[in-house]
Amino acid sequence: AQSVTQPDIHITVSEGASLELRCNYSYGATPYLFWYVQSPGQGLQLLLKYFSGDTLVQGIKGFEAEFKRSQSSFNLRKPSVHWSDAAEYFCAVGAMETGRRALTFGSGTRLQVQP
Amino acid sequence: ETGVTQTPRHLVMGMTNKKSLKCEQHLGHNAMYWYKQSAKKPLELMFVYNFKEQTENNSVPSRFSPECPNSSHLFLHLHTLQPEDSALYLCASSKAPSGSIEQFFGPGTRLTVL
Repeated sequence: AQSVTQPDIHITVSEGASLELRCNYSYGATPYLFWYVQSPGQGLQLLLKYFSGDTLVQGIKGFEAEFKRSQSSFNLRKPSVHWSDAAEYFCAVGAMETGRRALTFGSGTRLQVQP
Repeated sequence: ETGVTQTPRHLVMGMTNKKSLKCEQHLGHNAMYWYKQSAKKPLELMFVYNFKEQTENNSVPSRFSPECPNSSHLFLHLHTLQPEDSALYLCASSKAPSGSIEQFFGPGTRLTVL
């Protein structure tokens, strides 16, 4: 079974600073990896995904993530954070076993942006 | 309407009430999911439906009863809930079974059980 760890429960950065949110996964085969963002009182919005190919993937809102197989990581980055990026971020890994299609989510990282 | 919609957005109910949550997807997907999101807990997958058939039930108590009349609609019927059932209930959809695994989420229903 797959699992996802987001080591940082809460992160605070200053507006304009760079951001990196960590995600480590455990899965036996090639994973399908996702980052979602959730604003307060809202559902989850897909930021970006990795299925195969280029290990650096670009997403919406200026986010990118890099898949590193050797480290079982899929960290999310943004070069300059905006106040509107304050939200909770979830990393997820997808399983494609026959007969079951499911995402396993990490516990989330809450991002606070200081002016 | 586009994407995945959920109604109501907020619901307050007593432990003896019966209520239903509704989810509708306008994406042409064939798989639908119910998740429970409680404070300080990871997202919990409750039920999965593929082409209207339930394919996964993650040991959810029987006081939660899902219904999927067609590939576009998903309901969660609630009865005799407990205060610990208070949470944000999220619906999601995806292509199934051979399409992309990515899931699209609705805005959720915030449920409070008194």
